[in-house]
Amino acid sequence: EAGVAQSPRYKIIEKRQSVAFWCNPISGHATLYWYQQILGQGPKLLIQFQNNGVVDDSQLPKDRFSAERLKGVDSTLKIQPAKLEDSAVYLCASSLLRQGAGEQFFGPGTRLTVL
Amino acid sequence: KNEVEQSPQNLTAQEGEFITINCSYSVGISALHWLQQHPGGGIVSLFMLSSGKKKHGRLIATINIQEKHSSLHITASHPRDSAVYICAVRYNTDKLIFGTGTRLQVFP
Repeated sequence: EAGVAQSPRYKIIEKRQSVAFWCNPISGHATLYWYQQILGQGPKLLIQFQNNGVVDDSQLPKDRFSAERLKGVDSTLKIQPAKLEDSAVYLCASSLLRQGAGEQFFGPGTRLTVL
Repeated sequence: KNEVEQSPQNLTAQEGEFITINCSYSVGISALHWLQQHPGGGIVSLFMLSSGKKKHGRLIATINIQEKHSSLHITASHPRDSAVYICAVRYNTDKLIFGTGTRLQVFP
């Protein structure tokens, strides 16, 4: 079974530029999560999707971050414009069970550096 | 104060040593996860447990619901076990609350 795919693996941009990350969850997984992990910290949930609907985006900085999961499968996370403090690893995860009650499977992450 | 506390933050060991990483949380939970993160960022789920004990190979995870405490043990540690080990808990919502991780280095 293929795992959670993410691209790109690494991205370096200058502040005020835009960037987008892509995630393809495990086939059949209804729940998809985007996490931000700043160096030395645990992951922080940015947004959770159930199929193509948003379940929780309370910690998403909506003035600059946006995410979509148009067909309930793959998802994109965008930052526009980026700030220095956005430098982090962005992790995508998916879960089979409805409401995300089961085990979460993580992708390899995208390491973003904002200069 | 983080809702999930891990100790130690950093741990070094010689190959073959028995290793214990601890996790404490503040209120009742529905499940606790132990995760492994290698350099490069990818996270692998090791265990999900809500009571008792689970074992997989050289890894053992235990949880004490009354004491709100879990431990991850590694027997006969090996350099390839070097990674960050993260404890995460789920309360009554879908959301996982993560600890800050324990960085383990095992030297040959």
